[in-house]
Amino acid sequence: EIVLTQSPEFQSVTPKEKVIITCRASQNIDSNLHWYQQKPDQSPKLLIKRASQPISGVPSRFSGSGSGTDFTLTINGLEAEDAAAYYCHQTDTLPRTFGQGTKLEIK
Amino acid sequence: QVQLVQSGSELKKPGDSVKVSCKASGYRFISYAINWVRQAPGQGLEWMGWINTNTGETASAQGFTGRFVFTLDTSVSTAYLQISSLKPEDTAIYYCTRGSGHSSNPEELDYWGQGTLVTVSS
Repeated sequence: EIVLTQSPEFQSVTPKEKVIITCRASQNIDSNLHWYQQKPDQSPKLLIKRASQPISGVPSRFSGSGSGTDFTLTINGLEAEDAAAYYCHQTDTLPRTFGQGTKLEIK
Repeated sequence: QVQLVQSGSELKKPGDSVKVSCKASGYRFISYAINWVRQAPGQGLEWMGWINTNTGETASAQGFTGRFVFTLDTSVSTAYLQISSLKPEDTAIYYCTRGSGHSSNPEELDYWGQGTLVTVSS
C-alpha cells in the first residue's frame, strides 16, 4: 500500500500569506496525485488533479507541482475562506490512499 | 449538472446492518465508477473501494472486505454501500464520489455526495 505523508499536519496562518503543503509518497506514483479541500461540515472538493492540472472554478491562487514521490500544494495569497483541511490522494495503484490531512487555521 | 445525492443519517445498534444509497444524475451513470470514502469523527479521509458501474466489478481496501459490500441498480442510476454486523467503530460519515476517467480505472474524485452519517450505538 502506498503511504502518503503530508506536512505540516496543522498550520495557523494569516491572510495574504503564502502557504505550502507537501505530500510525500512511499513510492513513485508519477503524476497520479490529486488535492482536495474540505471545509468544516462540507464534502471534500477537488482542487488540483494529476499533480498540477487546475480545476475549473477553483481560484488561481491554488497551484500544485511535483511528480514521482514529492508533491506540493501552494496557496498564493491566503484568504479567510481557505480555512479548511487539505488532503492529497493517489490513484497510481490499488488500494487508493489519502494523506492524513493538513488543517489550515486562519489567524 | 452532475449530482450525487445520498440517503439520510442512520442510527443503528451493534450487530445491525445498514444500506446507504447514492443516486447519480446529470451524466451517464455507467461511464464512471463510484468510489466510497469513510470519515470517522474528527478524522481524515479513508478510501474504502470502488464499483465499476458498467460491469459491477469491485475493488476494496484491506479492512473494507467482507462486511462492506458495494452494489448497483443501474436502472435508477444508484449505487449502494451495505455494511453488516455493525460495530461502534463503524460510526462515520460515508461519502460516495465519482471517479473521473474510465469506469474500470477511476482517477481523481471529481464529484462528491453530501455524505451519510452512520451512528452505531447501543
